[in-house]
Amino acid sequence: AQKVTQAQTEISVVEKEDVTLDCVYETRDTTYYLFWYKQPPSGELVFLIRRNSFDEQNEISGRYSWNFQKSTSSFNFTITASQVVDSAVYFCALDLKAAGNKLTFGGGTRVLVKP
Amino acid sequence: DARVTQTPRHKVTEMGQEVTMRCQPILGHNTVFWYRQTMMQGLELLAYFRNRAPLDDSGMPKDRFSAEMPDATLATLKIQPSEPRDSAVYFCASGPSTGLANYGYTFGSGTRLTVV
Repeated sequence: AQKVTQAQTEISVVEKEDVTLDCVYETRDTTYYLFWYKQPPSGELVFLIRRNSFDEQNEISGRYSWNFQKSTSSFNFTITASQVVDSAVYFCALDLKAAGNKLTFGGGTRVLVKP
Repeated sequence: DARVTQTPRHKVTEMGQEVTMRCQPILGHNTVFWYRQTMMQGLELLAYFRNRAPLDDSGMPKDRFSAEMPDATLATLKIQPSEPRDSAVYFCASGPSTGLANYGYTFGSGTRLTVV
């Protein structure tokens, strides 16, 4: 069975601070995909990144960066120089090819960036 | 940008009434999901389809929920009869066939259902 754990339920930072969101996943499959989604106060779910299990390269996109480590089954997300607009709930999700490619979400981490 | 369209955005109904939620996936996407989001349970997968065929609806209460894709442009989720515990935000998402490209499933804006 697959499982995604986001141990941090809420993180509060002051603008311009960096914030790292942890994501730990469980699966016995060798082929899988990991996602991060952002859910701002407006409620929609916004796709941020997808990473497949064969690509452990870290990714940087603007102020966002992701660190994928298969050895620790983690796919952590860092926001550098946070801004108020980054305030949202962030979800990590796991997609297993063997399970028919259905997303299993973690519980989410609420990030509050204060001015 | 292409988007997943869900209707209605909000629905308030009385317990016992039938509720139908609709989703128009992105043209060309062959995978469609229905998720439910509540404070207590988070995001739960209810059902999903590939090429209009139901692949998994194990997350759905079978006695009152049903999900269908009458054609490639429409997915429906019905609740009959509705109960207060069904109050939640229901999301539809669609995506293309999997591959190695950096695609992501696209979510609709959700239907906020309140059963009183």
